[in-house]
Amino acid sequence: GAVVSQHPSWVICKSGTSVKIECRSLDFQATTMFWYRQFPKQSLMLMATSNEGSKATYEQGVEKDKFLINHASLTLSTLTVTSAHPEDSSFYICSAMDGTSGYNEQFFGPGTRLTVL
Amino acid sequence: AQSVTQLDSHVSVSEGTPVLLRCNYSSSYSPSLFWYVQHPNKGLQLLLKYTSAATLVKGINGFEAEFKKSETSFHLTKPSAHMSDAAEYFCVVTPYSGAGSYQLTFGKGTKLSVIP
Repeated sequence: GAVVSQHPSWVICKSGTSVKIECRSLDFQATTMFWYRQFPKQSLMLMATSNEGSKATYEQGVEKDKFLINHASLTLSTLTVTSAHPEDSSFYICSAMDGTSGYNEQFFGPGTRLTVL
Repeated sequence: AQSVTQLDSHVSVSEGTPVLLRCNYSSSYSPSLFWYVQHPNKGLQLLLKYTSAATLVKGINGFEAEFKKSETSFHLTKPSAHMSDAAEYFCVVTPYSGAGSYQLTFGKGTKLSVIP
């Protein structure tokens, strides 16, 4: 149990286009989902936290208008990178948590590699 | 505030020898602590977690970690390294064990190399 999937696993796009990444909890209800960004050979940096049906909470320094997060259901959150530029190229990882379980473990997706040309 | 320090950015061991990956933390509360492993271009897999129960925590693939409050440490060990253990390892802390404590703070990671 506790499987989180991401789609696509990798994407290449042209500069100026938008890219949508999906994060799904396959066998539990994810009341809270998280989006992380990981640069090569570095650790994960939290970008934003989203609760189902609410606006996402962004970490300091993360542009809300550039990284649009939607958590429309208990099993799906999407991250849209708008007007992508080469500096947005990175590994994006989502995680999901069932906040009603009284337990704070996050389950991570396999990640999405974004390359912006 | 909370923080995690992984003391080694790179550890290299021979296959069959013990593994020690060091992690120190600071937290204002009684934390939850995790070790995750990440293989190249993959997501994170939970190895083990400490949530205020037994201080010696056993995880998957033969790994274990001991929570030492007096030393604020949570070092990861394995008696005998296998080639498949070569990966990046992250020590992670949350502020406390209760529900709602989900703000993870990641260490910078330790790359483990296993020499045949």
